[in-house]
Amino acid sequence: SQQGEEDPQALSIQEGENATMNCSYKTSINNLQWYRQNSGRGLVHLILIRSNEREKHSGRLRVTLDTSKKSSSLLITASRAADTASYFCATPLGNDYKLSFGAGTTVTVRA
Amino acid sequence: EAQVTQNPRYLITVTGKKLTVTCSQNMNHEYMSWYRQDPGLGLRQIYYSMNVEVTDKGDVPEGYKVSRKEKRNFPLILESPSPNQTSLYFCASSSIRNHYEQYFGPGTRLTVT
Repeated sequence: SQQGEEDPQALSIQEGENATMNCSYKTSINNLQWYRQNSGRGLVHLILIRSNEREKHSGRLRVTLDTSKKSSSLLITASRAADTASYFCATPLGNDYKLSFGAGTTVTVRA
Repeated sequence: EAQVTQNPRYLITVTGKKLTVTCSQNMNHEYMSWYRQDPGLGLRQIYYSMNVEVTDKGDVPEGYKVSRKEKRNFPLILESPSPNQTSLYFCASSSIRNHYEQYFGPGTRLTVT
């Protein structure tokens, strides 16, 4: 069963704009991760946020976590063409070693 | 270069013909995992392994087998493939100390006719 769901399914923005995507999950978690997948490639780990954190930054990425709403958001600021990819949230399912991924948000950055 | 490799990258086979997809990592990672990716469903975990000779079921283990005889290798075995196993498969690894940061292989696109 899928734990997380991303929203929107797809997003198209102009280069330089910000992109925001959300992830909702069903059960309590102790951490949430975001991954990026470029077309036809494997996933790349972007950032992890723990349940006792509300916000975390990494370069142009900003992740928030609201455990009361069981949701997280990923913001990419000043987007570039290279940010065109699918973005997935992942949460532990059961024990920490089983991970559940959402279906992803496909982001297209137009030049 | 630190990496996870998978072979083959592409495979077309017929129903019932046993196949193995190999996965190897050169980072001395304890944790390894297999996922399948299907349109609209995201990635689903098939099996994972915490260390040599230790394997456990993920979300969708039916129809698959794995083994972990060596730390670096984690092959995925389909004893009798069926068309519903047509998918894109990814192997991933991580250290136990930092197992949340998983390193993914390039993927194997499997078609079962």
